[in-house]
Amino acid sequence: QSALTQPPSVSGSPGQSVTISCTGTSSDIGNSNRVSWYHQPPGTAPKLMIYEVSNRPSGVPDRFSGSKSGNTASLTISGLQAEDEADYYCCSYTDSITYVFGTGTKVTVL
Amino acid sequence: QVQLQQLGPGLVKPSQTLSLTCAISGDSVSSDSVGWHWIRQSPSRGLEWLGRTYYRSKWNNDYAVSVKSRISINPDTSKNQFSLQLNSVTPEDTAVYYCARNTNGAYGYWGQGTLVTVSS
Repeated sequence: QSALTQPPSVSGSPGQSVTISCTGTSSDIGNSNRVSWYHQPPGTAPKLMIYEVSNRPSGVPDRFSGSKSGNTASLTISGLQAEDEADYYCCSYTDSITYVFGTGTKVTVL
Repeated sequence: QVQLQQLGPGLVKPSQTLSLTCAISGDSVSSDSVGWHWIRQSPSRGLEWLGRTYYRSKWNNDYAVSVKSRISINPDTSKNQFSLQLNSVTPEDTAVYYCARNTNGAYGYWGQGTLVTVSS
């Protein structure tokens, strides 16, 4: 199972919006609503930001939103803040009854 | 509040077995609505799903193809924990290992992570 493809980095100024793409195949993202997103500051465990494509767990700001089209999922951060600077990872359930993660994207707040 | 506490050595010799335990509080390893997973992270491989154990009338396991011949994940209902065993390790198995609780296909709770180095 190959990792899902994410851009290595995205950046934006405070208050701007950034979108991170996560591209898979018809055997994972394209055939599953079990797509999730994680935020990982350095030296810490990942934290769940979005589950089931577009749902936010309690406590996650509504600045974070998720969507999916075909084999590509996306995470949008609106109103970028300094505390959003971290690595972000997507994850999908697959037809092989396994899970696969994305390659990771570093978000930089300029 | 669910908490996952990882235990196990940080150094393993090549060809030996990596063993980690994840102690659960605030939930039950026998819960029929969650799965208990192991994931690792390294600079070269990123986040890599290793496998899971879960109870749905009986115990079930699924493993990543990349480690299927070497891995075992087992529940311990008496101690409310689950474990990871990875046999015949090589330096390529050096990584931070995480246990995590999965519901609705997502990982809402993670252990603190254990850096395991494979070296003689």
